Amino acid sequence: EVQLVESGGGLVQPGGSLRLSCAASGFTFSSFNMNWVRQAPGKGLEWVSFISSTGDTIYYADSVKGRFTISRDNAKNSLYLQMNSLRDEDTAVYYCARDRNGDFDFWGQGTLVTVSS
Amino acid sequence: QSVLTQPPSASGTPGQRVTISCSGSSSNIGTNTVSWFQQLPGTAPKLLIYSHNQRPSGVPDRFSGSKSGTSASLAISGLQSEDEADYYCAAWDDSLDGWVFGGGTKLTVL
Repeated sequence: EVQLVESGGGLVQPGGSLRLSCAASGFTFSSFNMNWVRQAPGKGLEWVSFISSTGDTIYYADSVKGRFTISRDNAKNSLYLQMNSLRDEDTAVYYCARDRNGDFDFWGQGTLVTVSS
Repeated sequence: QSVLTQPPSASGTPGQRVTISCSGSSSNIGTNTVSWFQQLPGTAPKLLIYSHNQRPSGVPDRFSGSKSGTSASLAISGLQSEDEADYYCAAWDDSLDGWVFGGGTKLTVL
């Protein structure tokens, strides 16, 4: 059974940093591209970042470019999102999503990041 | 403001057929495949339709998708109370080098 479990969310002050993790199981993690998608409270979905299966291709939404860094460790079946210089508007539930040929076919349950002083 | 445009709300009675539209441009829907997601209250999104009109295993055939030019549509026939959810369209955007989502449509079953 495919499982994606996010962790690392919490309360952080503006300007602070946080590192999210996504633990994958039930499939060959190294064969799939992965994404982070977020959802602010009461709002819609916003794509954040993409990383290819090998990690050599990475994309970011303009809203996080230069502040967030996506990475993966295929040996540990894990996906990461390093978030720096956090702003109030980064407050959201962050989901990791498996990317099967351009389709987000499995999503984790999400982890809540709250940026507030 | 979302790159893909969806109506904020839609409604129907049990058994009815409803459609949800998703309008984009030549750099996203016009060139790339469209996916649809269903998000039930308090849960993570779930893939409903991919490659414009394909259903993952387990998704009822009451759900169907289509695309024409730079727009796409999700149709739900035989509406049921458990279909009450938020629905999102998405596509890759060649100009932005990233995924874009619609703003979401809240479906109410009356």
